[in-house]
Amino acid sequence: NAGVMQNPRHLVRRRGQEARLRCSPMKGHSHVYWYRQLPEEGLKFMVYLQKENIIDESGMPKERFSAEFPKEGPSILRIQQVVRGDSAAYFCASSPGSNYEQYFGPGTRLTVT
Amino acid sequence: SQKIEQNSEALNIQEGKTATLTCNYTNYSPAYLQWYRQDPGRGPVFLLLIRENEKEKRKERLKVTFDTTLKQSLFHITASQPADSATYLCALEGTSGTYKYIFGTGTRLKVLA
Repeated sequence: NAGVMQNPRHLVRRRGQEARLRCSPMKGHSHVYWYRQLPEEGLKFMVYLQKENIIDESGMPKERFSAEFPKEGPSILRIQQVVRGDSAAYFCASSPGSNYEQYFGPGTRLTVT
Repeated sequence: SQKIEQNSEALNIQEGKTATLTCNYTNYSPAYLQWYRQDPGRGPVFLLLIRENEKEKRKERLKVTFDTTLKQSLFHITASQPADSATYLCALEGTSGTYKYIFGTGTRLKVLA
């Protein structure tokens, strides 16, 4: 049973470019969470999605960031016009429901140059 | 707003001893609390979930307590081993009506051989 998969594992973008981060949840999981983690800091919630629906995006910046979880395919976190402050590790997690433990992927480390 | 506090200082203990980590929270009464382990460069791994009506939960060498009066959870690792060295995170569900999870910054545990 494959765990949560994220790709790419490392992503380098120049300022102003777009970053697309992909997350494939565990088989049977229809709930996906995205988090951001800076060095020596905790995980910061960004968005919670179920298939085809954004349930809670209260942790996501209003501009430049968007997320989706289509009926088919992985969940995608999109960051437009990246800035240096976007450099961080981005983790996604999946769960079978909203009140269950979460299973995390290995993360995507975004570096903006 | 809800706040989680974990001891940010690293905890060093001798192999074979019991490690005790603390998670305090304020401004909220969560229905459950979770503990995760995170190794450098990796995503968090779920360890235990304890609900508000459970005082204690065990899994092999791990034990978690949940004191809703003190607003505190204690995480114990008995007979600690060097392989237990990692950062341990506690996490709370967000306030009712939201789905965000709030993670503490974690406590780094180092078990000395």
